[in-house]
Amino acid sequence: EAAVTQSPRNKVAVTGGKVTLSCNQTNNHNNMYWYRQDTGHGLRLIHYSYGAGSTEKGDIPDGYKASRPSQENFSLILELATPSQTSVYFCASGGDWGQDTQYFGPGTRLLVL
Amino acid sequence: GDSVTQTEGQVALSEEDFLTIHCNYSASGYPALFWYVQYPGEGPQFLFRASRDKEKGSSRGFEATYDKGTTSFHLRKASVQESDSAVYYCAFYDTNAYKVIFGKGTHLHVLP
Repeated sequence: EAAVTQSPRNKVAVTGGKVTLSCNQTNNHNNMYWYRQDTGHGLRLIHYSYGAGSTEKGDIPDGYKASRPSQENFSLILELATPSQTSVYFCASGGDWGQDTQYFGPGTRLLVL
Repeated sequence: GDSVTQTEGQVALSEEDFLTIHCNYSASGYPALFWYVQYPGEGPQFLFRASRDKEKGSSRGFEATYDKGTTSFHLRKASVQESDSAVYYCAFYDTNAYKVIFGKGTHLHVLP
């Protein structure tokens, strides 16, 4: 069954530390996305990718980097985590030309102390 | 710029009530329109879509009709159940940037 998985599901980090959130998809979609979700803001796009080796800035990229080493994997990297990055992060695949529906993972809850 | 506006941030109803969640979009071109639903503790999931004017999308008793004239895609259900309690997102596909533009979501609470 096609799926999007995320790891870890929960993470506690310290301010100034490095955090890597991982996402894997078995949908064979070209496009992958990282969102954060906060009360009052809905889903906000951080970075996305059109395929292996590509990353694009979304609407709120500051403080985040992304890496797409393969078709299946897309990582979100917080080099210097801050408390303002405490949030729930969702990865999604899809949104390709001809496959415009997005499929979301279960989310990662990140707390930065 | 391109955007989706959901008028209601929160909606509280009793079981068997009629539901309307309003969605208006601003987009260049002729985008596909979507509704996604997010249950507590889960990621958003696709509910249904419509891709041309006057097309009706539907799933699980929910429906919406693409109206290009009023740039709207309002979500309706005739009789809600407690299990429909969730956050509902209206969205459209930006064909220029290959990404989906989401509204801020509407939190539906259905009381038994």
